Amino acid sequence: EAEVAQSPRYKITEKSQAVAFWCDPISGHATLYWYRQILGQGPELLVQFQDESVVDDSQLPKDRFSAERLKGVDSTLKIQPAELGDSAMYLCASSLGLAGLDEQFFGPGTRLTVL
Amino acid sequence: GQQVMQIPQYQHVQEGEDFTTYCNSSTTLSNIQWYKQRPGGHPVFLIQLVKSGEVKKQKRLTFQFGEAKKNSSLHITATQTTDVGTYFCAPNFGNEKLTFGTGTRLTIIP
Repeated sequence: EAEVAQSPRYKITEKSQAVAFWCDPISGHATLYWYRQILGQGPELLVQFQDESVVDDSQLPKDRFSAERLKGVDSTLKIQPAELGDSAMYLCASSLGLAGLDEQFFGPGTRLTVL
Repeated sequence: GQQVMQIPQYQHVQEGEDFTTYCNSSTTLSNIQWYKQRPGGHPVFLIQLVKSGEVKKQKRLTFQFGEAKKNSSLHITATQTTDVGTYFCAPNFGNEKLTFGTGTRLTIIP
């Protein structure tokens, strides 16, 4: 069964350092999402791509976060510089079509700890 | 902003008892999805509800969408230890994205 791949699974970094997360969605899925999940809370959408275009990044802290999906397939989320408050699980998800209408498939996530 | 309230935040039940979680919005929803996240895992899609008053069943799970499309519920009959996890509603407010609720964490007492 096809799955969303993410790496690394765990990342420990010091504040002010740069970190990057990678996501490979299910083949053929046009929509890709990056979520941040703080322990005990629901996933919060950071950025949403339709193919290679950003369709929603309203909750992305653009002064330090960036995301790209250059060829409309895999994606990278970067944080520079990392802050203590960025410690969280970063989840990538993909869906075949439009957000909100299609089932979203989540990857295993990257757990980030900022020291 | 568009928010959804999910209650209760926590629920502890004896194995075999029933469980219900509720999702309430102040505005009309286009549709709503439900996800389950096991401890240490990632969210997994359960169901999508689209029509007013819709009721869908999956074995022991019953999902309902309110007549006004402002609220939804998930009911589990005769809980089992495999039901442990956090259940999230994820409504679509018509802006082509899901807004996840705060979740209801279910623990089962054997």
